Amino acid sequence: DAGVTQSPTHLIKTRGQQVTLRCSPISGHKSVSWYQQVLGQGPQFIFQYYEKEERGRGNFPDRFSARQFPNYSSELNVNALLLGDSALYLCASTQGEQFFGPGTRLTVL
Amino acid sequence: AQSVTQPDIHITVSEGASLELRCNYSYGATPYLFWYVQSPGQGLQLLLKYFSGDTLVQGIKGFEAEFKRSQSSFNLRKPSVHWSDAAEYFCAVGQNYGGSQGNLIFGKGTKLSVKP
Repeated sequence: DAGVTQSPTHLIKTRGQQVTLRCSPISGHKSVSWYQQVLGQGPQFIFQYYEKEERGRGNFPDRFSARQFPNYSSELNVNALLLGDSALYLCASTQGEQFFGPGTRLTVL
Repeated sequence: AQSVTQPDIHITVSEGASLELRCNYSYGATPYLFWYVQSPGQGLQLLLKYFSGDTLVQGIKGFEAEFKRSQSSFNLRKPSVHWSDAAEYFCAVGQNYGGSQGNLIFGKGTKLSVKP
């Protein structure tokens, strides 16, 4: 079985631009969570979706948004990018425990 | 406020030596506790978890952890470290929503180096 997949692997954007990150959960998993991991820090919770509804939101500005599709895949959108948004963005698929994908490395110049 | 503290930023041990990584948590309810490992540029792999029951938990790759409620700790141990264990280790606490796990709160991580 395929694990959690994320795309793209790496991304370079400039300040002010918008970015969309994608995640496909493990087959049969209905919940997806997003985390931001800044270099040298632990992951920080951004969003959790379950059955296409937002279940939880971390302490992130409104520039961050997400959605979950009928097939349970998810997108994370970040608008008006700042240098501080440079990070590894991790998606986790949840069923009993969280299974993490390899992440998308976002660099904002 | 809920939080996880990993007091050691970086630890170096010799191959074959024992290892203990410390984790303390602050959580209002009964905690669900986890240890994850992350190799450079990679995602997180679950080593072990504690939900309830026996306070000594066995995980993958020869790791174990002990939940001590009185000390609010969940330290990770391994009796003999291998060079391949060099990585960053994260302790996390989470909620359980009717069997489906809620968001995790992570510590800042402990980087483990292994010398020959």
